[in-house]
Amino acid sequence: GAVVSQHPSWVICKSGTSVKIECRSLDFQATTMFWYRQFPKQSLMLMATSNEGSKATYEQGVEKDKFLINHASLTLSTLTVTSAHPEDSSFYICSALDPGVDTQYFGPGTRLTVL
Amino acid sequence: KNQVEQSPQSLIILEGKNCTLQCNYTVSPFSNLRWYKQDTGRGPVSLTIMTFSENTKSNGRYTATLDADTKQSSLHITASQLSDSASYICVVSPYNQGGKLIFGQGTELSVKP
Repeated sequence: GAVVSQHPSWVICKSGTSVKIECRSLDFQATTMFWYRQFPKQSLMLMATSNEGSKATYEQGVEKDKFLINHASLTLSTLTVTSAHPEDSSFYICSALDPGVDTQYFGPGTRLTVL
Repeated sequence: KNQVEQSPQSLIILEGKNCTLQCNYTVSPFSNLRWYKQDTGRGPVSLTIMTFSENTKSNGRYTATLDADTKQSSLHITASQLSDSASYICVVSPYNQGGKLIFGQGTELSVKP
């Protein structure tokens, strides 16, 4: 099956720093990628939809200036958490849409801990 | 409002036993319904995918059913194994919504020896 990778798998940073998370589709081209956030014991919450070559579409309540998304190529999207604070600590998961089979494939997730 | 509700919220079974997880949805129209398995600290992995015209789909010990009339789906796990312990999430893809997904809250399954 299709593979989506995320890097890093976990990161610990100090409050006020910025953290970049990469999402790559390894064996297909994804015109659309999605970024999710998941708190313990809760389901995935969509943060934004990322389309290659255009601005991301953010869900209501998600600060676009805090969560910067770049989708520069058909296989790479990045999420940058700017000026991270402890409340940003969460599990961030990306997915990539394979248009050929209309299926989203999820990455393994990135655990962000902000001290 | 598009919603996906799962039951039970959590389930504990003994190794080797069967179990069935339920999913009710209000999403209409929809392109497909998927069941995902999510291990703790990992991303979701697809188990089955069904279009609105399919009634059942199997993947090894996992069998999903879909009743589009009653808007219900189930995931049956046969001969459970300890490695089946995970969260199982029912996900519905609304038609023509740019790939957006509607997630259920998941069922936390724990298989005990």
